[in-house]
Amino acid sequence: EAGVTQFPSHSVIEKGQTVTLRCDPISGHDNLYWYRRVMGKEIKFLLHFVKESKQDESGMPNNRFLAERTGGTYSTLKVQPAELEDSGVYFCASSQASGYSPLHFGNGTRLTVT
Amino acid sequence: QKEVEQNSGPLSVPEGAIASLNCTYSDRVSQSFFWYRQYSGKSPELIMSIYSNGDKEDGRFTAQLNKASQYVSLLIRDSQPSDSATYLCADQKGGAGSYQLTFGKGTKLSVIP
Repeated sequence: EAGVTQFPSHSVIEKGQTVTLRCDPISGHDNLYWYRRVMGKEIKFLLHFVKESKQDESGMPNNRFLAERTGGTYSTLKVQPAELEDSGVYFCASSQASGYSPLHFGNGTRLTVT
Repeated sequence: QKEVEQNSGPLSVPEGAIASLNCTYSDRVSQSFFWYRQYSGKSPELIMSIYSNGDKEDGRFTAQLNKASQYVSLLIRDSQPSDSATYLCADQKGGAGSYQLTFGKGTKLSVIP
C-alpha cells in the first residue's frame, strides 16, 4: 500500500510569489489533514477535509492560504502571496476512519520563502 | 491554549538500556494519545497509540497513560542505535467532526553504541 505522498519535497520561493503544495493521501482514506511545522515550534494543525468538504479549517493562519480537495482525492494547499513567516515544513496526513484514529503522515514539503 | 509538553532533550541512553520519554497534556477532554517517531527529514511515523488508562505493550515499546495526572509516557526497552530519532507525543480531541492532533515539540533521543 502506497503511503501519503507529497510534492514537491522542497520549494524555495521569493516573498510575494505563489506556491502550490500537493498531497496524495492513502487510497481510500476519506480524511485528509494539513499540518505545518515552523522552525523551533511544534507541528500545528491547519485544516481537515472529509472527502471534498472542509470539516475544520480553524488552524489556517490567514486568507493567503487556500486548500482544496476537488473530487475528494488529492489535495492542494496554495500560499499566495507568500511571506517570510510561511517558511516551514508542511505535512499532509490521512486516515481511513473518522473519529479517534491515528493519522498517517507524508514526508512533508519544506518551504523556504526568501 | 491547550498544550502538549515534552522535554526537548536530547536524551542520551546507552545501547541496551531502557529509554523513558515523558509527556503531559493540559486538555482534560483529550481522548486518544499517540507516539510518533521522526527521523530527520522524514515523516512522523506512528509507533504507539493508547486510549485508556494503564499500559500498552508492543514489542520493545510500552506506552503508559494516566488520565488523572494527564501524563503519557513511552518506554523503549533494549534501546538500539536505530531508535535514535525525535519522538513526538500527540493528543487527539474530537469536536464538530474534527479530530485534530495537538503535538508536543518532541524529545530527541540518542542511543549510544
